[in-house]
Amino acid sequence: AQSVTQPDIHITVSEGASLELRCNYSYGATPYLFWYVQSPGQGLQLLLKYFSGDTLVQGIKGFEAEFKRSQSSFNLRKPSVHWSDAAEYFCAVGAFSGGGADGLTFGKGTHLIIQP
Amino acid sequence: DADVTQTPRNRITKTGKRIMLECSQTKGHDRMYWYRQDPGLGLRLIYYSFDVKDINKGEISDGYSVSRQAQAKFSLSLESAIPNQTALYFCATSDYKGLENTGELFFGEGSRLTVL
Repeated sequence: AQSVTQPDIHITVSEGASLELRCNYSYGATPYLFWYVQSPGQGLQLLLKYFSGDTLVQGIKGFEAEFKRSQSSFNLRKPSVHWSDAAEYFCAVGAFSGGGADGLTFGKGTHLIIQP
Repeated sequence: DADVTQTPRNRITKTGKRIMLECSQTKGHDRMYWYRQDPGLGLRLIYYSFDVKDINKGEISDGYSVSRQAQAKFSLSLESAIPNQTALYFCATSDYKGLENTGELFFGEGSRLTVL
């Protein structure tokens, strides 16, 4: 079965600084990978996804992620964070066979705090 | 209006009471899911449904039941609520398109349940 590890429970970044959130996955075949963001009191919004092609994926709100098969990683990056980026971020993996039909497996999340 | 609507958004109940959380969607997706979110644990899959005749247990189905009344409606029931079922519950949908399916989930805004 697939699994996702987000090693950082909390990350604090100054406004304007760069950001990298780590995600490692475990799955034997080609994974489908996702990053979702949850703002306080809100549902989950898709930031970006990877399932084939270019390993550097661009998403909404200026985020990007890079798929590295050799490291089983899919880290999320942003060159300059804004106060509105403060939120909970979830990495998720879906199985290729059936295309994630059984639902995505989520990491435990990383809580991003933005300092003025 | 939201594409995936959950009711109620907030509910406080007592131990032993029966509770139903409802989800309806206007996205026309065939697959629907119920997840539970707990602080520090991320999202965990409770049940999922491929269509009205196909219901599947997820990672943490004990103590829960579901009903797929129509393609657009998927309800989650707690027959006898207990305090450790206090959580934020999310309904999600997915559109299966064969080889094009990536497993991307579209979430409702969540139902916060408190069991006293």
